Amino acid sequence: GNSVTQMEGPVTLSEEAFLTINCTYTATGYPSLFWYVQYPGEGLQLLLKATKADDKGSNKGFEATYRKETTSFHLEKGSVQVSDSAVYFCALSLSGSARQLTFGSGTQLTVLP
Amino acid sequence: DADVTQTPRNRITKTGKRIMLECSQTKGHDRMYWYRQDPGLGLRLIYYSFDVKDINKGEISDGYSVSRQAQAKFSLSLESAIPNQTALYFCATSERTGGSTGELFFGEGSRLTVL
Repeated sequence: GNSVTQMEGPVTLSEEAFLTINCTYTATGYPSLFWYVQYPGEGLQLLLKATKADDKGSNKGFEATYRKETTSFHLEKGSVQVSDSAVYFCALSLSGSARQLTFGSGTQLTVLP
Repeated sequence: DADVTQTPRNRITKTGKRIMLECSQTKGHDRMYWYRQDPGLGLRLIYYSFDVKDINKGEISDGYSVSRQAQAKFSLSLESAIPNQTALYFCATSERTGGSTGELFFGEGSRLTVL
């Protein structure tokens, strides 16, 4: 079946540090890949996505590259801010299957000033 | 006001009670979903609806039922709540094409505690 594995948290960084959150996936087809972010007390919101191999998604200084050869979609940011503190979810969706949005377990990020 | 609104935001109830969580949206989307979030497990799909007459079970539908009263309203019911249904519940919506590309719009969540 399809699955998403994220690095376990929580992750605690100082402001301006470099961030990497690892995500790998298993899928029976050619999925689209996503990062969603959940700020405290809020619902999830789409952060970025990539729909095919070698695509790079980017938004708000975050980026992730769809690596088919390593089945990975790692999230990176060069310099985190306190306001980036949130839970980050990696997810996949098989094309044409709206219900098949599979989420990882989430990674809690805390950025200290 | 939020585009996807869930009520109640927090609820504590007892085993065996019937509970309804309500969701309404102003995004004009056809597709609506109910997810459950548990620590360390991510989000799991309970039910989804592609339009008023189309309701489908998700990964973990046992113990739950839903009603799509209108395009904008999608309710989740627990007929007889049990403690392992304690979780954070999210309603989400998507456009017809957005659903297949994974872009969902979430409400703020309803935290349910079953004692």
